[in-house]
Amino acid sequence: SQTIHQWPATLVQPVGSPLSLECTVEGTSNPNLYWYRQAAGRGLQLLFYSVGIGQISSEVPQNLSASRPQDRQFILSSKKLLLSDSGFYLCAATGTDATYGYTFGSGTRLTVV
Amino acid sequence: AQSVTQPDIHITVSEGASLELRCNYSYGATPYLFWYVQSPGQGLQLLLKYFSGDTLVQGIKGFEAEFKRSQSSFNLRKPSVHWSDAAEYFCAVIAGGFKTIFGAGTRLFVKA
Repeated sequence: SQTIHQWPATLVQPVGSPLSLECTVEGTSNPNLYWYRQAAGRGLQLLFYSVGIGQISSEVPQNLSASRPQDRQFILSSKKLLLSDSGFYLCAATGTDATYGYTFGSGTRLTVV
Repeated sequence: AQSVTQPDIHITVSEGASLELRCNYSYGATPYLFWYVQSPGQGLQLLLKYFSGDTLVQGIKGFEAEFKRSQSSFNLRKPSVHWSDAAEYFCAVIAGGFKTIFGAGTRLFVKA
Protein backbone atom coordinates (compact mmCIF):
# COMPACT_ATOMS: atom_id res chain seq x y z
CA SER A 1 0.00 0.00 0.00
CA GLN A 2 1.02 3.60 -0.55
CA THR A 3 2.13 6.02 2.13
CA ILE A 4 2.46 9.75 1.51
CA HIS A 5 4.73 11.97 3.54
CA GLN A 6 3.89 15.63 3.35
CA TRP A 7 5.59 18.49 5.15
CA PRO A 8 5.47 20.84 6.86
CA ALA A 9 2.19 20.33 8.67
CA THR A 10 1.65 24.03 9.24
CA LEU A 11 3.25 27.09 7.74
CA VAL A 12 2.81 30.81 8.25
CA GLN A 13 4.36 32.94 5.55
CA PRO A 14 4.30 36.67 4.79
CA VAL A 15 2.82 37.97 1.57
CA GLY A 16 5.42 38.06 -1.17
CA SER A 17 7.58 35.32 0.31
CA PRO A 18 8.43 32.10 -1.57
CA LEU A 19 6.88 28.72 -0.90
CA SER A 20 8.03 25.16 -1.19
CA LEU A 21 5.88 22.22 -0.08
CA GLU A 22 7.19 18.74 -0.51
CA CYS A 23 5.51 15.39 -0.85
CA THR A 24 7.09 11.95 -1.14
CA VAL A 25 5.44 8.62 -1.80
CA GLU A 26 6.38 5.18 -0.53
CA GLY A 27 5.13 1.79 -1.55
CA THR A 28 4.61 2.26 -5.25
CA SER A 29 6.49 3.05 -8.42
CA ASN A 30 5.46 5.46 -11.15
CA PRO A 31 2.49 6.86 -9.25
CA ASN A 32 0.18 9.56 -10.53
CA LEU A 33 0.65 12.52 -8.20
CA TYR A 34 -1.71 15.38 -7.42
CA TRP A 35 -1.78 18.65 -5.51
CA TYR A 36 -5.14 19.78 -4.18
CA ARG A 37 -6.09 22.90 -2.26
CA GLN A 38 -8.95 23.01 0.17
CA ALA A 39 -10.20 26.42 1.24
CA ALA A 40 -11.99 26.71 4.58
CA GLY A 41 -15.38 25.03 4.43
CA ARG A 42 -15.07 24.22 0.76
CA GLY A 43 -14.30 21.24 -1.41
CA LEU A 44 -11.10 20.19 -3.06
CA GLN A 45 -9.64 22.11 -5.97
CA LEU A 46 -7.19 20.23 -8.18
CA LEU A 47 -4.12 22.38 -8.77
CA PHE A 48 -1.63 20.12 -10.53
CA TYR A 49 -1.20 16.52 -11.51
CA SER A 50 1.70 14.50 -12.82
CA VAL A 51 1.87 11.14 -14.55
CA GLY A 52 5.66 10.95 -14.61
CA ILE A 53 8.97 12.66 -13.91
CA GLY A 54 8.99 16.15 -15.33
CA GLN A 55 5.39 15.87 -16.54
CA ILE A 56 3.16 18.46 -14.93
CA SER A 57 -0.35 19.49 -15.88
CA SER A 58 -1.87 22.62 -14.43
CA GLU A 59 -5.56 22.83 -13.78
CA VAL A 60 -5.82 26.36 -12.47
CA PRO A 61 -3.71 29.29 -13.72
CA GLN A 62 -2.21 31.08 -10.74
CA ASN A 63 1.07 31.99 -9.15
CA LEU A 64 1.77 28.44 -8.02
CA SER A 65 3.90 25.89 -9.85
CA ALA A 66 4.72 22.22 -9.37
CA SER A 67 7.68 20.04 -10.18
CA ARG A 68 8.42 16.34 -10.10
CA PRO A 69 12.18 15.91 -9.97
CA GLN A 70 12.03 12.23 -8.98
CA ASP A 71 9.49 9.47 -9.50
CA ARG A 72 8.11 9.66 -5.98
CA GLN A 73 8.67 13.33 -5.19
CA PHE A 74 6.25 16.14 -5.91
CA ILE A 75 6.90 19.77 -5.01
CA LEU A 76 4.54 22.73 -4.91
CA SER A 77 6.17 26.15 -5.19
CA SER A 78 5.52 29.82 -5.44
CA LYS A 79 7.90 32.71 -6.00
CA LYS A 80 5.65 35.25 -4.27
CA LEU A 81 2.75 34.24 -2.08
CA LEU A 82 -0.58 36.07 -2.12
CA LEU A 83 -3.12 36.27 0.68
CA SER A 84 -5.44 34.19 -1.47
CA ASP A 85 -2.95 31.32 -1.41
CA SER A 86 -3.93 30.53 2.17
CA GLY A 87 -5.55 27.14 2.54
CA PHE A 88 -5.05 23.49 3.24
CA TYR A 89 -2.82 21.79 0.67
CA LEU A 90 -3.10 18.08 0.11
CA CYS A 91 -0.82 15.81 -1.86
CA ALA A 92 -2.39 12.65 -3.25
CA ALA A 93 -1.24 9.64 -5.21
CA THR A 94 -2.69 6.82 -7.20
CA GLY A 95 -1.14 3.92 -9.00
CA THR A 96 -1.07 4.08 -12.75
CA ASP A 97 -4.69 2.96 -12.54
CA ALA A 98 -6.42 5.81 -10.74
CA THR A 99 -9.64 3.86 -10.44
CA TYR A 100 -8.44 2.26 -7.22
CA GLY A 101 -8.77 5.58 -5.45
CA TYR A 102 -6.44 8.10 -3.94
CA THR A 103 -4.07 7.95 -1.02
CA PHE A 104 -3.76 11.35 0.60
CA GLY A 105 -1.06 12.94 2.67
CA SER A 106 -1.92 14.55 5.99
CA GLY A 107 -1.90 18.03 4.49
CA THR A 108 -0.18 21.38 5.03
CA ARG A 109 -2.06 24.29 6.55
CA LEU A 110 -0.69 27.44 4.89
CA THR A 111 -1.54 30.84 6.26
CA VAL A 112 -0.32 33.86 4.34
CA VAL A 113 -0.18 36.98 6.48
CA ALA B 1 -19.47 18.17 -18.02
CA GLN B 2 -19.01 15.69 -15.24
CA SER B 3 -20.04 16.87 -11.80
CA VAL B 4 -20.73 15.63 -8.31
CA THR B 5 -23.37 17.16 -6.05
CA GLN B 6 -23.68 16.66 -2.34
CA PRO B 7 -26.93 18.46 -1.50
CA ASP B 8 -26.37 18.64 2.25
CA ILE B 9 -23.66 20.99 3.50
CA HIS B 10 -24.01 19.61 7.01
CA ILE B 11 -26.05 16.99 8.81
CA THR B 12 -26.57 16.36 12.52
CA VAL B 13 -27.55 12.93 13.82
CA SER B 14 -27.78 11.45 17.26
CA GLU B 15 -25.29 8.83 18.32
CA GLY B 16 -26.73 5.42 17.56
CA ALA B 17 -29.06 6.71 14.87
CA SER B 18 -28.81 5.73 11.24
CA LEU B 19 -27.10 7.92 8.67
CA GLU B 20 -27.52 8.57 4.98
CA LEU B 21 -25.40 11.07 3.08
CA ARG B 22 -26.55 11.93 -0.41
CA CYS B 23 -24.48 12.12 -3.56
CA ASN B 24 -25.57 12.66 -7.14
CA TYR B 25 -23.33 12.61 -10.16
CA SER B 26 -23.60 13.73 -13.72
CA TYR B 27 -21.98 11.47 -16.31
CA GLY B 28 -23.20 9.71 -19.43
CA ALA B 29 -21.81 6.28 -18.66
CA THR B 30 -21.19 4.35 -15.46
CA PRO B 31 -18.51 6.19 -13.54
CA TYR B 32 -16.10 5.01 -10.90
CA LEU B 33 -17.54 6.27 -7.60
CA PHE B 34 -15.88 6.84 -4.25
CA TRP B 35 -16.57 8.08 -0.75
CA TYR B 36 -13.82 9.63 1.34
CA VAL B 37 -13.79 10.83 4.94
CA GLN B 38 -11.75 13.69 6.34
CA SER B 39 -11.20 14.30 10.04
CA PRO B 40 -10.40 17.91 11.01
CA GLY B 41 -6.93 18.96 9.96
CA GLN B 42 -6.21 15.65 8.29
CA GLY B 43 -6.02 14.23 4.81
CA LEU B 44 -8.80 12.20 3.23
CA GLN B 45 -9.23 8.48 3.74
CA LEU B 46 -10.95 6.22 1.24
CA LEU B 47 -14.09 4.62 2.71
CA LEU B 48 -15.32 2.62 -0.26
CA LYS B 49 -15.52 2.52 -4.03
CA TYR B 50 -17.80 1.23 -6.76
CA PHE B 51 -16.71 0.11 -10.20
CA SER B 52 -19.26 -2.42 -11.38
CA GLY B 53 -21.18 -5.47 -10.25
CA ASP B 54 -23.13 -5.51 -7.00
CA THR B 55 -24.63 -2.07 -6.55
CA LEU B 56 -24.35 -2.24 -2.75
CA VAL B 57 -20.73 -1.90 -1.68
CA GLN B 58 -19.27 -2.32 1.76
CA GLY B 59 -16.50 -0.16 3.09
CA ILE B 60 -14.43 0.39 6.16
CA LYS B 61 -15.75 1.56 9.54
CA GLY B 62 -19.16 -0.03 8.95
CA PHE B 63 -20.14 2.17 6.02
CA GLU B 64 -21.90 1.06 2.88
CA ALA B 65 -23.09 2.80 -0.27
CA GLU B 66 -25.61 1.97 -2.93
CA PHE B 67 -25.27 2.84 -6.59
CA LYS B 68 -28.56 3.65 -8.28
CA ARG B 69 -28.13 4.24 -11.98
CA SER B 70 -31.70 5.41 -12.51
CA GLN B 71 -31.22 8.18 -9.95
CA SER B 72 -27.56 8.90 -10.73
CA SER B 73 -26.93 8.53 -7.02
CA PHE B 74 -24.38 6.93 -4.75
CA ASN B 75 -25.59 7.50 -1.20
CA LEU B 76 -23.51 6.59 1.81
CA ARG B 77 -25.15 4.85 4.77
CA LYS B 78 -24.36 3.60 8.22
CA PRO B 79 -26.91 1.85 10.44
CA SER B 80 -25.63 3.22 13.74
CA VAL B 81 -23.46 6.30 14.02
CA HIS B 82 -20.70 6.61 16.59
CA TRP B 83 -19.36 9.90 17.93
CA SER B 84 -16.06 9.16 16.19
CA ASP B 85 -17.83 9.34 12.82
CA ALA B 86 -18.07 13.13 13.11
CA ALA B 87 -16.06 14.35 10.13
CA GLU B 88 -16.47 15.66 6.62
CA TYR B 89 -17.46 13.24 3.90
CA PHE B 90 -16.69 13.64 0.22
CA CYS B 91 -18.25 11.86 -2.71
CA ALA B 92 -16.05 11.61 -5.79
CA VAL B 93 -16.15 10.32 -9.33
CA ILE B 94 -13.67 9.39 -12.01
CA ALA B 95 -15.47 10.03 -15.25
CA GLY B 96 -12.95 9.40 -17.99
CA GLY B 97 -9.19 9.72 -17.69
CA PHE B 98 -7.58 9.63 -14.30
CA LYS B 99 -8.72 12.86 -12.69
CA THR B 100 -11.14 12.68 -9.82
CA ILE B 101 -13.96 15.16 -9.34
CA PHE B 102 -14.93 15.75 -5.73
CA GLY B 103 -18.20 16.99 -4.31
CA ALA B 104 -18.20 19.97 -1.98
CA GLY B 105 -18.49 17.72 1.05
CA THR B 106 -20.99 17.09 3.83
CA ARG B 107 -19.99 17.78 7.39
CA LEU B 108 -21.43 15.30 9.85
CA PHE B 109 -22.10 16.33 13.44
CA VAL B 110 -22.94 13.66 16.00
CA LYS B 111 -24.83 14.61 19.15
CA ALA B 112 -24.86 12.58 22.31
